[in-house]
Amino acid sequence: SYELTQPLSVSVALGQTARITCGGNHIGGKNVHWYQQRPGQAPVLVIYRDSNRPSGIPERFSGSNSGNTATLTISRAQGGDEAEYYCHVWDTYTEIFGPGTRVTVL
Amino acid sequence: QVQLVQSGAEVKKPGASVRVSCKASGYTFTNYGIGWVRQAPGQGLEWMGWINGIANYAQKLQGRVTMTTDTSTSTAYMDLRSLRSDDTAVYYCARQERVSAAHDYWGQGTLVTVSS
Repeated sequence: SYELTQPLSVSVALGQTARITCGGNHIGGKNVHWYQQRPGQAPVLVIYRDSNRPSGIPERFSGSNSGNTATLTISRAQGGDEAEYYCHVWDTYTEIFGPGTRVTVL
Repeated sequence: QVQLVQSGAEVKKPGASVRVSCKASGYTFTNYGIGWVRQAPGQGLEWMGWINGIANYAQKLQGRVTMTTDTSTSTAYMDLRSLRSDDTAVYYCARQERVSAAHDYWGQGTLVTVSS
């Protein structure tokens, strides 16, 4: 079965750039979506189809996908960006979520 | 505006069944699928299945879960049977884009507690 890997945690200084990776076999050939989940809240879609931002999501959030790694980039990190981030793919009638990455803004 | 409103928290005994509802509004219900995702306490997101005219379930839940929709009321339902303690989780419904399977709007979540 298809598996996704993410770093357990990422720390970023206020105003700097955080990069969260999502690894999977030939993930570059799949649509990757990213969700932000703050404690006690439902997930929020921040990037869909690798690099598209839903309306209302700041331009500071961007995504890329190639080879075996997809990346969510948070530029000019703010305190409100502290959350768990999950990648998500669809593979042969099955959906898979990554294990999640905890982002801490220092 | 798009909204998904789920039913309230449930407490069930092991072996019982639970039904969680998800009422959609603000869009044409039949133009999108509904996905179900659960999250055990302190854990990550687990895909359970989706319904988009037909239903497709995660292999580990096959035989215990049924997902249905009532298009007359724009409501989706998730039934889970033979509950076990490890089914204790927050259950989410989410609107699902048909082509990419992205979950673009989520319900508020329903806590299901399984305890004797």
